[in-house]
Amino acid sequence: DAGVTQSPTHLIKTRGQQVTLRCSPKSGHDTVSWYQQALGQGPQFIFQYYEEEERQRGNFPDRFSGHQFPNYSSELNVNALLLGDSALYLCASSSKQGRSTDTQYFGPGTRLTVL
Amino acid sequence: AQSVTQLGSHVSVSEGALVLLRCNYSSSVPPYLFWYVQYPNQGLQLLLKYTSAATLVKGINGFEAEFKKSETSFHLTKPSAHMSDAAEYFCAVSALDTGRRALTFGSGTRLQVQP
Repeated sequence: DAGVTQSPTHLIKTRGQQVTLRCSPKSGHDTVSWYQQALGQGPQFIFQYYEEEERQRGNFPDRFSGHQFPNYSSELNVNALLLGDSALYLCASSSKQGRSTDTQYFGPGTRLTVL
Repeated sequence: AQSVTQLGSHVSVSEGALVLLRCNYSSSVPPYLFWYVQYPNQGLQLLLKYTSAATLVKGINGFEAEFKKSETSFHLTKPSAHMSDAAEYFCAVSALDTGRRALTFGSGTRLQVQP
């Protein structure tokens, strides 16, 4: 049973560029959440998708956008990259519409470096 | 609103000694609480979760945590540390209020195990 997968593993971009990160949820899961983990900090919630719609959003600017596809996979897009966007981006999947009691399973993350 | 405070960004114990990692939470509604572990260059793995059933929760790898409402705490313990326990540990809270499904994480505690 494949767990949550993310691609790419590492990415280097320059300021002002745009980036797309991808996530495939665990088999049987229909909800995808994205988190940003800056170095030395805990993950921070960006947004969550279910039924191809953004259901909840954290305190992140509109430069951060996402998408969920019919097969439940998801993309995170970041426009106009800033140095401060350098972080580990984690994708988590869950089932049953992401109720609070459902466990979120995390992928290995994508390490984004902005130069 | 919810928040998590993890006391001690670094904890060092000897192999075979008791592990105690502290977590205090703040939540305006009954919380659900989680402990995750993160090994270097990896995603997050769930250790255990509290979802309003038994207050003493047992998890994987010999870890357990006790929910104490009066102290708003959810400390993680393990009777005997193993070298393989060295990792970053994150406490997280989620609430069952309307539309609130995201995890709010603490800043993490790095556990070192000395031989």
